[in-house]
Amino acid sequence: DGGITQSPKYLFRKEGQNVTLSCEQNLNHDAMYWYRQDPGQGLRLIYYSQIVNDFQKGDIAEGYSVSREKKESFPLTVTSAQKNPTAFYLCASSTLGLAGSDTDTQYFGPGTRLTVL
Amino acid sequence: AQTVTQSQPEMSVQEAETVTLSCTYDTSENNYYLFWYKQPPSRQMILVIRQEAYKQQNATENRFSVNFQKAAKSFSLKISDSQLGDTAMYFCAFMWTGTYKYIFGTGTRLKVLA
Repeated sequence: DGGITQSPKYLFRKEGQNVTLSCEQNLNHDAMYWYRQDPGQGLRLIYYSQIVNDFQKGDIAEGYSVSREKKESFPLTVTSAQKNPTAFYLCASSTLGLAGSDTDTQYFGPGTRLTVL
Repeated sequence: AQTVTQSQPEMSVQEAETVTLSCTYDTSENNYYLFWYKQPPSRQMILVIRQEAYKQQNATENRFSVNFQKAAKSFSLKISDSQLGDTAMYFCAFMWTGTYKYIFGTGTRLKVLA
């Protein structure tokens, strides 16, 4: 089945630790995105990537880092510099400007719930 | 800067009735897309419907339809024959093809009552 997977589903971090959230897609999508969702709020963009080995900061990139070494993978590292990392993290992917009904439509993974202890 | 506003934090509707969720956006661009996503209690984001800005015809998907008013920068979602499974958070989103960044509203929590 084609789709987007995120792991783990739940993650606990001690203060001062870096943790990495995994995101993999087998949809052959060019673009991948990371969002943070806090209770009662919408989605805020952390980082996004449109091509391998290239990525751009979103609106709340401080304290986070990413890599895009493969088209299908876009891991997110939450560093100790992120002061309030407890949140729900969503990964998404989309095509870029290709013809078809799915053009530029973003699809989401199931999310990772990160809690700082 | 582009913005998306959902002015209804919470709404409720009786089962089988019709409900309309509001969304307005602000942009000076012409080539963009608009989306409605549903987030049920499982928190999985599910695409409900999408609209290309260059299309005048309003998009429909079964019981879901939109009222796209480009000049007014309005993009409302109508849910007909509401079902209990429609209970969820609904997010409106905007994407400009110049950056491929998606901007989301703060969401409307919809509860369908039996």
